[in-house]
Amino acid sequence: AQTVTQSQPEMSVQEAETVTLSCTYDTSESDYYLFWYKQPPSRQMILVIRQEAYKQQNATENRFSVNFQKAAKSFSLKISDSQLGDAAMYFCAYRGGATNKLIFGTGTLLAVQP
Amino acid sequence: DTAVSQTPKYLVTQMGNDKSIKCEQNLGHDTMYWYKQDSKKFLKIMFSYNNKELIINETVPNRFSPKSPDKAHLNLHINSLELGDSAVYFCASSQRPTIPIDTQYFGPGTRLTVL
Repeated sequence: AQTVTQSQPEMSVQEAETVTLSCTYDTSESDYYLFWYKQPPSRQMILVIRQEAYKQQNATENRFSVNFQKAAKSFSLKISDSQLGDAAMYFCAYRGGATNKLIFGTGTLLAVQP
Repeated sequence: DTAVSQTPKYLVTQMGNDKSIKCEQNLGHDTMYWYKQDSKKFLKIMFSYNNKELIINETVPNRFSPKSPDKAHLNLHINSLELGDSAVYFCASSQRPTIPIDTQYFGPGTRLTVL
């Protein structure tokens, strides 16, 4: 069965600095997709960035980028120039296999210090 | 316009009651989902429907019954509520279940509290 692990329950970053959130996953599938979702205090789940496993190039969305290491089954999220609005719970998620279920990690709570 | 909406946003009820949560999406998507987020923020899929047909049914007590009257709506009915059912329930939708890269769009969540 596929699993997603986020080993950092909480992280903190100073405003304008860079922070990296870790995620590892386990799968026997060769074709799958990885996502980072953000959940601010409003509870809304917001897609931050996504990566196709067959693509070697790391995905980038403005200040958000990923470091995808397929062999190591690692998918970290880098947030550059952190802003107060980035404070939220961040979930790494995997989707693939026969059912295409979205499987979430346990989340990392990011605090941004002014 | 809200893409995925849920009603109610908050629900407080007594143990043993039956309650429903409604979900509607106006994105024209074929697939809808229910997720449960527990008190530790762990998010797990419960059900998925594609065009009114059940395609994912995780190990969920049969007190939980999803109903999809049409592909734009997926309701969740819970019988005989228990304390452990207290959680935030999220509805989501995506274009098609066979396209993994499809983004799932989430509703605002319904916080259910069972007393």
